[in-house]
Amino acid sequence: EPEVTQTPSHQVTQMGQEVILRCVPISNHLYFYWYRQILGQKVEFLVSFYNNEISEKSEIFDDQFSVERPDGSNFTLKIRSTKLEDSAMYFCASSPNSEAFFGQGTRLTVV
Amino acid sequence: TQLLEQSPQFLSIQEGENLTVYCNSSSVFSSLQWYRQEPGEGPVLLVTVVTGGEVKKLKRLTFQFGDARKDSSLHITAAQPGDTGLYLCAGDPITSGTYKYIFGTGTRLKVLA
Repeated sequence: EPEVTQTPSHQVTQMGQEVILRCVPISNHLYFYWYRQILGQKVEFLVSFYNNEISEKSEIFDDQFSVERPDGSNFTLKIRSTKLEDSAMYFCASSPNSEAFFGQGTRLTVV
Repeated sequence: TQLLEQSPQFLSIQEGENLTVYCNSSSVFSSLQWYRQEPGEGPVLLVTVVTGGEVKKLKRLTFQFGDARKDSSLHITAAQPGDTGLYLCAGDPITSGTYKYIFGTGTRLKVLA
């Protein structure tokens, strides 16, 4: 069964460093998303992406964040100059329409 | 700001009991999804409801979308220990120009053997 895959599963980085989280969405899906979940808190929407551009983003998704679809399969989230409060699980999702399927997440720890 | 409130937040029941989890909002949604999430893993899609008043069944789980598409419920019949987990509702606001899922606060269910 097709699934969304994310790498790495766990990333530890020093404060101020840049990180790139990678996702391979399900192949025939058209819509892509990034969410984050701080430990013990709810899943929060970051950004949605369609037709090679951002379609919507939340207040959390500031200039520190960017997304890219560098080729036909990958979808990346870049966080520039990470802060301690960026520590969270980051989930990628994709959907053909109204049903979103999530990856297993990348646990980002900023030290 | 669209908010989805789930109740109860925590629920601990004995095996065999029935339970209902509620997902409420003042906003209208084009669709609403229910997910289950295990610790350290991503949410797993259980069902999507689209039409007001729609009822969907998945084995012992029954999902209903409110007539006004502002709320939803998940009913589990004869709960089993394997049902233990975090249940999340997520709605796609009708005001959103694209697909976007706002997650609820979650209901953590524990079923005791």
